[in-house]
Amino acid sequence: AQSVTQLGSHVSVSEGALVLLRCNYSSSVPPYLFWYVQYPNQGLQLLLKYTSAATLVKGINGFEAEFKKSETSFHLTKPSAHMSDAAEYFCAVRSSGSARQLTFGSGTQLTVLP
Amino acid sequence: DAMVIQNPRYQVTQFGKPVTLSCSQTLNHNVMYWYQQKSSQAPKLLFHYYDKDFNNEADTPDNFQSRRPNTSFCFLDIRSPGLGDAAMYLCATSEGLAGGPGTDTQYFGPGTRLTVL
Repeated sequence: AQSVTQLGSHVSVSEGALVLLRCNYSSSVPPYLFWYVQYPNQGLQLLLKYTSAATLVKGINGFEAEFKKSETSFHLTKPSAHMSDAAEYFCAVRSSGSARQLTFGSGTQLTVLP
Repeated sequence: DAMVIQNPRYQVTQFGKPVTLSCSQTLNHNVMYWYQQKSSQAPKLLFHYYDKDFNNEADTPDNFQSRRPNTSFCFLDIRSPGLGDAAMYLCATSEGLAGGPGTDTQYFGPGTRLTVL
């Protein structure tokens, strides 16, 4: 079975500050990991994905995430928050070599304070 | 641009009155998915089509059905909506299923917000 846990359902940062959104995964086989962003009343937009190549993955809008097998983590970071980053962020996992679908975390709502 | 389109964006229906939500895609992807997302929750997979093959999640209520008449279109039918079915419904597509993340990365439409009165 696979799962992801997102620590912190709400995160607030000041504009220009570091963004850190936490995701820990559980998977019995090497996972594929994804981060999606959802703006109000919108669908999910893919930010980045880990595909077992480079452990540091760069995505859109200045976000990146690092896969750490020893910590079973895939935390999302951005060096400097912008007001437009305010949204809900979902981490998701899919186990490699199976036809199982994405399993999403419960989401983290990011607020950016002026 | 290739994309996933959902119509309508907002749908209001009455308790027990059948409703159909529409999804179309210009990506020519083999797989189409329907998710239900309730307020402040993660999306929950209802079912998916791989080409014409329909795959229902075990806990999807019988009240929810789907049709895929061709590659481009997929419909979600709710036969008798209850108040608990009010949610955002998300359609997604992927090129494949288990061929690796290059083919099974899911691309989402903007969603349809369903209100049940």
